[in-house]
Amino acid sequence: DAGVIQSPRHEVTEMGQEVTLRCKPISGHNSLFWYRQTMMRGLELLIYFNNNVPIDDSGMPEDRFSAKMPNASFSTLKIQPSEPRDSAVYFCASSLALGLPGGAFFGQGTRLTVV
Amino acid sequence: AQRVTQPEKLLSVFKGAPVELKCNYSYSGSPELFWYVQYSRQRLQLLLRHISRESIKGFTADLNKGETSFHLKKPFAQEEDSAMYYCALGTEVIFGPGTSLSVIP
Repeated sequence: DAGVIQSPRHEVTEMGQEVTLRCKPISGHNSLFWYRQTMMRGLELLIYFNNNVPIDDSGMPEDRFSAKMPNASFSTLKIQPSEPRDSAVYFCASSLALGLPGGAFFGQGTRLTVV
Repeated sequence: AQRVTQPEKLLSVFKGAPVELKCNYSYSGSPELFWYVQYSRQRLQLLLRHISRESIKGFTADLNKGETSFHLKKPFAQEEDSAMYYCALGTEVIFGPGTSLSVIP
């Protein structure tokens, strides 16, 4: 397995534009997480899914952010409209089950820059 | 190339014993380093940042630029410390592979 795959690796967009981040979890993993990493706040959990169902989206900063998981092998995180303060690295992670002691496997991240 | 290594995948210590989780990094500039922890059935969470020079739950970590290390230490391990620990290079947002710590009662 190639691990958790995120695309694109880098995204530069103008303020006000829609941005869509993509994630392919590890096959067989039931849980998927979206994180945002900033220098000031470190890693923040935005939302996580279990068996394609959103379980906790309390970390989503505002209504401009939305996430979907239409099937077990694909998830998207959308920001519309984007703002400069959304600039960060966004990580997707997957795990076999919620709270697996071995932890989640992270993708390489998408570095988003909103200018 | 920027890289974070954690040489131990698994680490077992007895309760009350000192624990040290190793982290080495490769980075040409001034690094920003974090330790994250994931307890069983809980989300990954930030444990500490080197810029804060803080002690969280008895853990400390000192940045050693000469050795390019950021080892996590605790003088007396507790059972509740059993978890997965990730070292992260914040400047380029690179995570280490993680070390699973098991504290034996």
